Amino acid sequence: NAGVTQTPKFQVLKTGQSMTLQCAQDMNHEYMSWYRQDPGMGLRLIHYSVGAGITDQGEVPNGYNVSRSTTEDFPLRLLSAAPSQTSVYFCASSYAMGNGYTFGSGTRLTVV
Amino acid sequence: QQQVKQSPQSLIVQKGGISIINCAYENTAFDYFPWYQQFPGKGPALLIAIRPDVSEKKEGRFTISFNKSAKQFSLHIMDSQPGDSATYFCAAAYSGAGSYQLTFGKGTKLSVIP
Repeated sequence: NAGVTQTPKFQVLKTGQSMTLQCAQDMNHEYMSWYRQDPGMGLRLIHYSVGAGITDQGEVPNGYNVSRSTTEDFPLRLLSAAPSQTSVYFCASSYAMGNGYTFGSGTRLTVV
Repeated sequence: QQQVKQSPQSLIVQKGGISIINCAYENTAFDYFPWYQQFPGKGPALLIAIRPDVSEKKEGRFTISFNKSAKQFSLHIMDSQPGDSATYFCAAAYSGAGSYQLTFGKGTKLSVIP
């Protein structure tokens, strides 16, 4: 049981490049979310999903896309990277409403 | 609009002392209030959580106090240890209507000194 697995752990992108941050969970959790963490800002919700085929925007969705074709996977796509997207990204999953979210170990992204 | 306000931003406590972190929320529909602990380079980990139908929940040295009328809740760490040095986040969620998303406070960096 690996929990929530995020890849890569570190990434450097040039402005304008695109990339996909991978997130997979093996706990059969329906709820999955992507957060970004910036110093002094806490964790801010980017996108979330309540099940396969269902996604919605969070607090800071601009510049990011998601899809949820399976229960296990919830990739986050950066369409055209900008320096403002330099951050640590966390994927999280939860079994049900009112249960705690399990977080991955994060992807540290730098856009130059 | 910041829906969950957390204070203090940083906290230094002597070993054996009590660490207290406070949070206030605005949305009265919130019905789930977890606390997360995060060590450097790691993802946040669920520490303890409470629902508004109880005023206090204790797990080992960690206690959540909840004041529904004041829309406030706090984390108390008794007998604080250097290993408790981490960043703590409060959060709130509304678990109805099929959504269930966490809104986080900005975090408190706790340092426990020997």
